Amino acid sequence: EAGVTQSPTHLIKTRGQQATLRCSPISGHTSVYWYQQALGLGLQFLLWYDEGEERNRGNFPPRFSGRQFPNYSSELNVNALELEDSALYLCASSLGDSLAKNIQYFGAGTRLSVL
Amino acid sequence: AQKVTQAQTEISVVEKEDVTLDCVYETRDTTYYLFWYKQPPSGELVFLIRRNSFDEQNEISGRYSWNFQKSTSSFNFTITASQVVDSAVYFCALKDSNYQLIWGAGTKLIIKP
Repeated sequence: EAGVTQSPTHLIKTRGQQATLRCSPISGHTSVYWYQQALGLGLQFLLWYDEGEERNRGNFPPRFSGRQFPNYSSELNVNALELEDSALYLCASSLGDSLAKNIQYFGAGTRLSVL
Repeated sequence: AQKVTQAQTEISVVEKEDVTLDCVYETRDTTYYLFWYKQPPSGELVFLIRRNSFDEQNEISGRYSWNFQKSTSSFNFTITASQVVDSAVYFCALKDSNYQLIWGAGTKLIIKP
């Protein structure tokens, strides 16, 4: 069974550009989570989608946005890129949002570099 | 408020030594889950274990063992006879009724040959 897949693996952009990151969850998983991990830092929660709806977002500006498609895959968009947005972006999926279905399985991440 | 503390920023041991990674958590809920994840240099977080608040039995899986103690709000992780491949950043996390995973800052484990 395929795990969580993210694309692209690496992404290089310049300041002010837009970046689009993609995530395909494990088959059967309806929840998708996005995290930012800046170099040497921990995981910062970005967004959580379940059944196509945004359920929660972390403390990030509105230029970080995303969506979940009917097939449960997800996109993270970052507009007006800033140098500080350079980080590893991790996507995770889980069976659902209940407390008992809450194991998050992660993809390998997209490393975004903003020059 | 929920909080997860991993006080050890970095641990370095020689191969075959035992090593314990500490995790202390805070929550007001009586029902919650605790997790450990491993992040090797490749970057992907690998799920290791989940425990619920009602199950305080210690768990052993090969060279890995976990000690959950509600009395001290701790969920420590021990690697026995460490190997170089165990080198990674290890994260402890908490999930309660807040629905979001609360992550510790991570402990970087270096196993020297």
